[in-house]
Amino acid sequence: DTAVSQTPKYLVTQMGNDKSIKCEQNLGHDTMYWYKQDSKKFLKIMFSYNNKELIINETVPNRFSPKSPDKAHLNLHINSLELGDSAVYFCASSPRGLTEAFFGQGTRLTVV
Amino acid sequence: EDQVTQSPEALRLQEGESSSLNCSYTVSGLRGLFWYRQDPGKGPEFLFTLYSAGEEKEKERLKATLTKKESFLHITAPKPEDSATYLCAFGSSNTGKLIFGQGTTLQVKP
Repeated sequence: DTAVSQTPKYLVTQMGNDKSIKCEQNLGHDTMYWYKQDSKKFLKIMFSYNNKELIINETVPNRFSPKSPDKAHLNLHINSLELGDSAVYFCASSPRGLTEAFFGQGTRLTVV
Repeated sequence: EDQVTQSPEALRLQEGESSSLNCSYTVSGLRGLFWYRQDPGKGPEFLFTLYSAGEEKEKERLKATLTKKESFLHITAPKPEDSATYLCAFGSSNTGKLIFGQGTTLQVKP
């Protein structure tokens, strides 16, 4: 059973489009995250939710909007996609904040 | 400012040639030092958590250690399947975030 699963794995889209990435965890964890990994492999946190409540909101454009319908799901919606949004986006979960995080397989977003 | 630096950026070893990866950090309010392994096209895979200076953890050919300023990931007699990017991260109790280093890409040649 996949612990943290995100879909889609690959996403190619044109500039200006709106897209969503979905994430689900079956570990019973309270905390979920979205990370962005750039071309230099640097992982940077974007958002963190604890029991559906937003607790970390890094300086990301307002075009990025996370939504957590329940504590097992955390989706990421991106409006008006730009070329610079191209990256790999990872969802992760942890039992609670500042404990070991478990990552999904990533979504490679390419904006053309 | 909280910061973590990994060295070297890249490391090439022959099979069986032991070495160490370094993760140095400056943080106010350290709450855990984490090591991950990332294979190409996959998400980071959790390896170890260390919470206090002097703590050590082992898993197969890997051993992680922690001091007040840095952590080491020792690789003993590596095999080609140990080739991957190794990431360290620390938890900052001040910001509530996991801060990642840029990683060390390890290549082990047979």
